[in-house]
Amino acid sequence: EPEVTQTPSHQVTQMGQEVILRCVPISNHLYFYWYRQILGQKVEFLVSFYNNEISEKSEIFDDQFSVERPDGSNFTLKIRSTKLEDSAMYFCASLRTASTDTQYFGPGTRLTVL
Amino acid sequence: AQTVTQSQPEMSVQEAETVTLSCTYDTSENNYYLFWYKQPPSRQMILVIRQEAYKQQNATENRFSVNFQKAAKSFSLKISDSQLGDTAMYFCAFMSVTGANSKLTFGKGITLSVRP
Repeated sequence: EPEVTQTPSHQVTQMGQEVILRCVPISNHLYFYWYRQILGQKVEFLVSFYNNEISEKSEIFDDQFSVERPDGSNFTLKIRSTKLEDSAMYFCASLRTASTDTQYFGPGTRLTVL
Repeated sequence: AQTVTQSQPEMSVQEAETVTLSCTYDTSENNYYLFWYKQPPSRQMILVIRQEAYKQQNATENRFSVNFQKAAKSFSLKISDSQLGDTAMYFCAFMSVTGANSKLTFGKGITLSVRP
């Protein structure tokens, strides 16, 4: 069964450094998402992406964040200058079409900012 | 904006018993999807069950079933014959039908412990 993959599974970085989290969505899916979960808290929407552009973003998704689909298969989330409060689990998800109902999640990347 | 409320932070159930997890939501939309996701200690998000708002019939998936009350905006999950592997965090989530607004809005989650 096709699945969403994410790399790395765990990333440790120093405050102020740039990180890129990578995701490979399911191949025939058209909508892509990033969510964040701070430890012990609920999962929060960051951004949705469709047709090579952001379709919606949350208040969390400020100028430090960017997303890209560089090669038609990967979907990346970049944090330009990490802060301590960026430490969280980051989930990528994909959805086949607007009329289907299920977003499939990747296993997540645990980001630790020191 | 949609909101999802899970007011019970923790629940515990004896193995083989039945447990019900509560969820309420608020929306002005008429057509949407509701989900329950399971998050075990590995932190993977696993879809448990989904419900389409326009369907009156409650969704079932093996030991998992929902009680969907659209007018009351309530969406509870019933787990029958609880198993030790059901121990996890459970999140209720809402998704609008239209693609442009198809983000998931999650509740705070409930920690379910199944006792042997």
